[in-house]
Amino acid sequence: AQSVSQHNHHVILSEAASLELGCNYSYGGTVNLFWYVQYPGQHLQLLLKYFSGDPLVKGIKGFEAEFIKSKFSFNLRKPSVQWSDTAEYFCAVNPYSSASKIIFGSGTRLSIRP
Amino acid sequence: GAGVSQSPSNKVTEKGKDVELRCDPISGHTALYWYRQSLGQGLEFLIYFQGNSAPDKSGLPSDRFSAERTGGSVSTLTIQRTQQEDSAVYLCASSRGLVSSYEQYFGPGTRLTVT
Repeated sequence: AQSVSQHNHHVILSEAASLELGCNYSYGGTVNLFWYVQYPGQHLQLLLKYFSGDPLVKGIKGFEAEFIKSKFSFNLRKPSVQWSDTAEYFCAVNPYSSASKIIFGSGTRLSIRP
Repeated sequence: GAGVSQSPSNKVTEKGKDVELRCDPISGHTALYWYRQSLGQGLEFLIYFQGNSAPDKSGLPSDRFSAERTGGSVSTLTIQRTQQEDSAVYLCASSRGLVSSYEQYFGPGTRLTVT
């Protein structure tokens, strides 16, 4: 079955630390890839997306993600986190063969110590 | 402009009762999605509406769940004979078209608690 794995359920970092959140998916075909973020008390919103082209994509607020096709991975990174990055982060996959569906991971809760 | 709105924001119901959850998408958005988010889990796709096409109901977990979208705008998700395992946050999202081409915008969700 198609699935998206986010192995880190809760990550705790200090401000200015570097961040990398893992995301792996199990689907052999062509996919679109997304990271969504949900800040406390706010709606889920798109952080960044990969459809094609440069596998290193940049999103809002200094986040970036790298698509590594051979590893079926789309890890999220930020060089220096801020307290305001405290949120829940969801990786998601949209298979080309199922244009209407997005399969979400279970999310990673990021807590930043001020 | 206004975003996606959902009502009620919270709903507590007794096991066995029926509930209706409402979603108002962004005006002009032809695509509408329902998801369920259970505690500690990711978002689970439930159903997808696109314009006048037949909805993709492949994610509905049982025949107790149904949804409709009237006039290509407002959508209602109905859960009949609710069970405790139905307790979750139900999220609605809308977009200009297929998620493969257009960004989804999410509503605030309805937190359903079945006692």
